[in-house]
Amino acid sequence: EAQVTQNPRYLITVTGKKLTVTCSQNMNHEYMSWYRQDPGLGLRQIYYSMNVEVTDKGDVPEGYKVSRKEKRNFPLILESPSPNQTSLYFCASSPLSVTNTGELFFGEGSRLTVL
Amino acid sequence: GENVEQHPSTLSVQEGDSAVIKCTYSDSASNYFPWYKQELGKRPQLIIDIRSNVGEKKDQRIAVTLNKTAKHFSLHITETQPEDSAVYFCAAGTNFGNEKLTFGTGTRLTIIP
Repeated sequence: EAQVTQNPRYLITVTGKKLTVTCSQNMNHEYMSWYRQDPGLGLRQIYYSMNVEVTDKGDVPEGYKVSRKEKRNFPLILESPSPNQTSLYFCASSPLSVTNTGELFFGEGSRLTVL
Repeated sequence: GENVEQHPSTLSVQEGDSAVIKCTYSDSASNYFPWYKQELGKRPQLIIDIRSNVGEKKDQRIAVTLNKTAKHFSLHITETQPEDSAVYFCAAGTNFGNEKLTFGTGTRLTIIP
């Protein structure tokens, strides 16, 4: 089954404790991206990747890191989480570029709470 | 960068009536405009999209219109049904070297039986 898988789905952590949210897709997509969803703010892009070893900042990259060492994986790293990073996070993938193919495939989301 | 404004933030319509959600964008280079539907507790899913060389696109009960001059586009849902209740997001993007897709803030649509 074609899918985008995120882990963990739910996480409660404390300020400053490094964490990684994994994202894996099995559709051989070149494009992957991370978004955060907050009430009243919609979906805001954190980072995106056009292909292996190619990443770029989105609109809200501060406090986050990403890597794309393999085509299928695009982990999101919070080196020192803070309470303002409490949010619902979505990973998404798309073949080639999102604007050429017309569809982002989203994972199920990861709800992160930073105390 | 691109800025997408979406209105209204909440919308309630009687079952069977039509619903319209409007978005405006700021970057004249944007040429791709998708709409995503997010049901409660689920992931966003693409329902329809339009590119700048087209003024209108329909898919059964949903349609999207685009006015590039005015920089606005709209989602129209006719004959609404309870399963149309969800949050809808518009977005704007460009494929001229900028692969960022900017989303609106969302519209919570409630269909009243």
